[in-house]
Amino acid sequence: GNSVTQMEGPVTLSEEAFLTINCTYTATGYPSLFWYVQYPGEGLQLLLKATKADDKGSNKGFEATYRKETTSFHLEKGSVQVSDSAVYFCALNQGNKLVFGAGTILRVKS
Amino acid sequence: GAGVSQSPSNKVTEKGKDVELRCDPISGHTALYWYRQSLGQGLEFLIYFQGNSAPDKSGLPSDRFSAERTGGSVSTLTIQRTQQEDSAVYLCASSSPVVRETQYFGPGTRLLVL
Repeated sequence: GNSVTQMEGPVTLSEEAFLTINCTYTATGYPSLFWYVQYPGEGLQLLLKATKADDKGSNKGFEATYRKETTSFHLEKGSVQVSDSAVYFCALNQGNKLVFGAGTILRVKS
Repeated sequence: GAGVSQSPSNKVTEKGKDVELRCDPISGHTALYWYRQSLGQGLEFLIYFQGNSAPDKSGLPSDRFSAERTGGSVSTLTIQRTQQEDSAVYLCASSSPVVRETQYFGPGTRLLVL
């Protein structure tokens, strides 16, 4: 079946540092790809998505590009803030459900 | 507008008891999903409802788990004879008929089985 692999965390960065969280996937066909974020004590929020190859999803300064050739959807942000500290989940849709990666904890220090 | 709501937010129960978890999807969303988030297993799909169609129950871990959706809106997830390994956060999500692939999640119900 389809699967998603994310880089292991936690990732600890200083404020204003550049962020990359790697995500690769295995899928039949061409699923839509998603990044969800879970802030401490809160539920999952959709951060961004891309529905086809070479699409770039972006939101709140975060970006990710759907790379079919490398089966990747890496999350990037040019300058992180303390408020970005959260758990980030990469996911793809498989029929009626989302398949999630294990999640990556991001900690941003001031 | 209102998002997905779930109740209770926290539930503590004793092993062997039954529990019911409730989900109110976003108004107008025809699809509803249940997931489970646990330390050992990450985020797992449990069940999916779409309109009046038969639900996709392929993710339910055992026959102790069941769910229903009344009137195409509110859903209840029931766990019978709870076990300690059922302890997890149970998340509900819904999606609109226009952009079905984008799911919006509720805050979850944190279940602890003692």
